[in-house]
Amino acid sequence: AQTVTQSQPEMSVQEAETVTLSCTYDTSESNYYLFWYKQPPSRQMILVIRQEAYKQQNATENRFSVNFQKAAKSFSLKISDSQLGDTAMYFCAFIYSGNTPLVFGKGTRLSVIA
Amino acid sequence: SQTIHQWPATLVQPVGSPLSLECTVEGTSNPNLYWYRQAAGRGLQLLFYSVGIGQISSEVPQNLSASRPQDRQFILSSKKLLLSDSGFYLCAWGPRPGQLVGAFFGQGTRLTVV
Repeated sequence: AQTVTQSQPEMSVQEAETVTLSCTYDTSESNYYLFWYKQPPSRQMILVIRQEAYKQQNATENRFSVNFQKAAKSFSLKISDSQLGDTAMYFCAFIYSGNTPLVFGKGTRLSVIA
Repeated sequence: SQTIHQWPATLVQPVGSPLSLECTVEGTSNPNLYWYRQAAGRGLQLLFYSVGIGQISSEVPQNLSASRPQDRQFILSSKKLLLSDSGFYLCAWGPRPGQLVGAFFGQGTRLTVV
């Protein structure tokens, strides 16, 4: 079975600083996809960034980037120049090819402090 | 473009009453559809997923059921609600085959069973 672990229940960062959220996963699949979702206080789930396992290049979306280490089964999210609007729950998620659902980690609550 | 609609946004129901939450997707065909539940401050628990009309997979045995009467319609039901059914329910869709680009979520339903 696939599992996703986020070991940091809560984190905080000063505005304009950089923060890294950790995620590890366990799978025997070789081809899969990883995602980071953001859930602000409105509770709307927003897809932040995705990574395909067969791509070695780390994905980047504006201030958000990932550090994908396939051998270590690690998928961390780096947020640069943190903004107050980045305050949210962040969920790491995994899926492998086929008609299977996303498996989520338990989330990390990030607070950006002015 | 694709959109997902989920309603109602909030619901307060007495114990023992029935439940019906509806989710519809526009702008795509034959999507994968999902129901997740989120307890306060917690992660997402997959309840049901569907890869086609009438095809429902249940992840957790419980007081709830799901149906997919039309290609882009997904309904979550209960005949008799329990206090433990309270939570935040999220519907999501993903393109076929498999969620290679991630799942996209509705705005959620906050259910309080009293």
